[in-house]
Amino acid sequence: AQSVTQLDSHVSVSEGTPVLLRCNYSSSYSPSLFWYVQHPNKGLQLLLKYTSAATLVKGINGFEAEFKKSETSFHLTKPSAHMSDAAEYFCVVTKLQTDKLIFGTGTRLQVFP
Amino acid sequence: GAVVSQHPSWVICKSGTSVKIECRSLDFQATTMFWYRQFPKQSLMLMATSNEGSKATYEQGVEKDKFLINHASLTLSTLTVTSAHPEDSSFYICSALRVNQPQHFGDGTRLSIL
Repeated sequence: AQSVTQLDSHVSVSEGTPVLLRCNYSSSYSPSLFWYVQHPNKGLQLLLKYTSAATLVKGINGFEAEFKKSETSFHLTKPSAHMSDAAEYFCVVTKLQTDKLIFGTGTRLQVFP
Repeated sequence: GAVVSQHPSWVICKSGTSVKIECRSLDFQATTMFWYRQFPKQSLMLMATSNEGSKATYEQGVEKDKFLINHASLTLSTLTVTSAHPEDSSFYICSALRVNQPQHFGDGTRLSIL
């Protein structure tokens, strides 16, 4: 069965420093992977997606993620955090042969001035 | 701008009443929409898949008679929480599937049952 594990429930960084949000996936096939961001009391916004093309995926707002099959990882990074990046981030995988999404438990990113 | 509109964004009602939440795709037709539930500080859990012109498909453990889903047109799906009770209080989010694109999410509905 497909699943994603977000290794950190909480990440705190200072503004201007790099961001790393970790995600490991489990899948018996080549998965489609996504990162979504959720601001308080809001829906989800797609940051980026991996669909078996380039392993380094660039997204919106300076975020990118690298698909590493050998490590079954899809970590999200950003070189320099901004205060507006503070939100909840979800790593997501599609369920085999469906359009259904399986969500990780989320990582809350705090950015301090 | 937003491509999926969800209404209302916030609703408070008394226990025992029914509440309807609407999910609209604004500039595309969506044969498939999804309804999720999110408890505080938790992840999203898929409740059901809404299919235009046919019955919704519910995930295991979701009461279909409690959470009525209607997808009568290609741009509108509704979720009705029937005879709501305090334990139904939650954040409900819909999404719409656009051809060859990831799911587009609404802004969610905060439901509080007193």
